[in-house]
Amino acid sequence: DAGITQSPRHKVTETGTPVTLRCHQTENHRYMYWYRQDPGHGLRLIHYSYGVKDTDKGEVSDGYSVSRSKTEDFLLTLESATSSQTSVYFCAISAGTNTEAFFGQGTRLTVV
Amino acid sequence: QKEVEQNSGPLSVPEGAIASLNCTYSDRGSQSFFWYRQYSGKSPELIMFIYSNGDKEDGRFTAQLNKASQYVSLLIRDSQPSDSATYLCAAPAGGTSYGKLTFGQGTILTVHP
Repeated sequence: DAGITQSPRHKVTETGTPVTLRCHQTENHRYMYWYRQDPGHGLRLIHYSYGVKDTDKGEVSDGYSVSRSKTEDFLLTLESATSSQTSVYFCAISAGTNTEAFFGQGTRLTVV
Repeated sequence: QKEVEQNSGPLSVPEGAIASLNCTYSDRGSQSFFWYRQYSGKSPELIMFIYSNGDKEDGRFTAQLNKASQYVSLLIRDSQPSDSATYLCAAPAGGTSYGKLTFGQGTILTVHP
């Protein structure tokens, strides 16, 4: 299994609070991604990183920010959590273009 | 039009039958395609990838790619109850990809004994 660890695995938070999800990899892959998965929508890309301090928006980036200060860590922050951000969040890594992505175990986030 | 679309399903087949999962894509420049399997409550795992037109076989799984028709499929022969899962088709996102993948919405497969 690819060495990807997400933390926390489960979290319940209140509306309006900031939340940070962490993704840690031991594969030294250049590319890292945050996806959210919701019924009827499949996996949607939130943000991605193509190197340390190099990040860009995906298709559903509003309300989220990311940071990557080290190759192995990619953080996703919900600046002010809303109920619409209740979802399962997956981190993924990839070695390059046109190659497969490997996924972490996922984080189930509930915003109440 | 979504970049990657899957037949919506759900799909139910008897044990031992062939399950056929289909996917169409809109970006003619896409070079590679991936099939992921996702069990309920788990993360997606790669089961097949295909780059060239034609068929690629791996055990009971066969991926088929037709670039002219922008169509990719996954056949599962001798389906087993353990194959029951959601199957996701993925293709590289357009433009400067940075390894990004666009996923279809998934097809839920149930194999009943």
